[in-house]
Amino acid sequence: GENVEQHPSTLSVQEGDSAVIKCTYSDSASNYFPWYKQELGKGPQLIIDIRSNVGEKKDQRIAVTLNKTAKHFSLHITETQPEDSAVYFCAATEYSGGGADGLTFGKGTHLIIQP
Amino acid sequence: DGGITQSPKYLFRKEGQNVTLSCEQNLNHDAMYWYRQDPGQGLRLIYYSQIVNDFQKGDIAEGYSVSREKKESFPLTVTSAQKNPTAFYLCASSTVPVLHFGDGTRLSIL
Repeated sequence: GENVEQHPSTLSVQEGDSAVIKCTYSDSASNYFPWYKQELGKGPQLIIDIRSNVGEKKDQRIAVTLNKTAKHFSLHITETQPEDSAVYFCAATEYSGGGADGLTFGKGTHLIIQP
Repeated sequence: DGGITQSPKYLFRKEGQNVTLSCEQNLNHDAMYWYRQDPGQGLRLIYYSQIVNDFQKGDIAEGYSVSREKKESFPLTVTSAQKNPTAFYLCASSTVPVLHFGDGTRLSIL
């Protein structure tokens, strides 16, 4: 089955700086890579996702890049703000139109934005 | 507002006791899921249901049971057979492949 490794487990950055979280996956058949943000005491929420037919996707201050050859993908957050403080999870799956039960999650990164 | 409602927010279980976590959705989604979250362990799938009256085991189903009698509801029972039940439990529904999560139930042992 799929195995997703996520690094670092904790990341502390100064407000206004950029943050990068990296994930690697093991199954070359995986073709869908979402990122979820979990605020304290809440459930995770999808913030961005990418499919294997593109190499990069941006949405305002966040972007995700995918390197299929190396089997890794990264989340980039620019101009970090206090509200970016949260736990971020990456995930991977071979999506073929069925359910989301095949999603394998990384162990999470606790992002801390220092004022 | 549409969403996933989990209750209670906090739950305590005594030794040998079964407890049931509630999950209700008004998003009209067919598929629903239960995940367990432990510190530093990510999200692990317990059970999922693609349609009413049908459900499948996930990666860590032992010691848990579910039912899906209505589209809107997917309760999870943590049985006494689950020896390490202390965790944060998340329910989700999906418009594939996107998961929509509730705000979780934190289960602790008395």
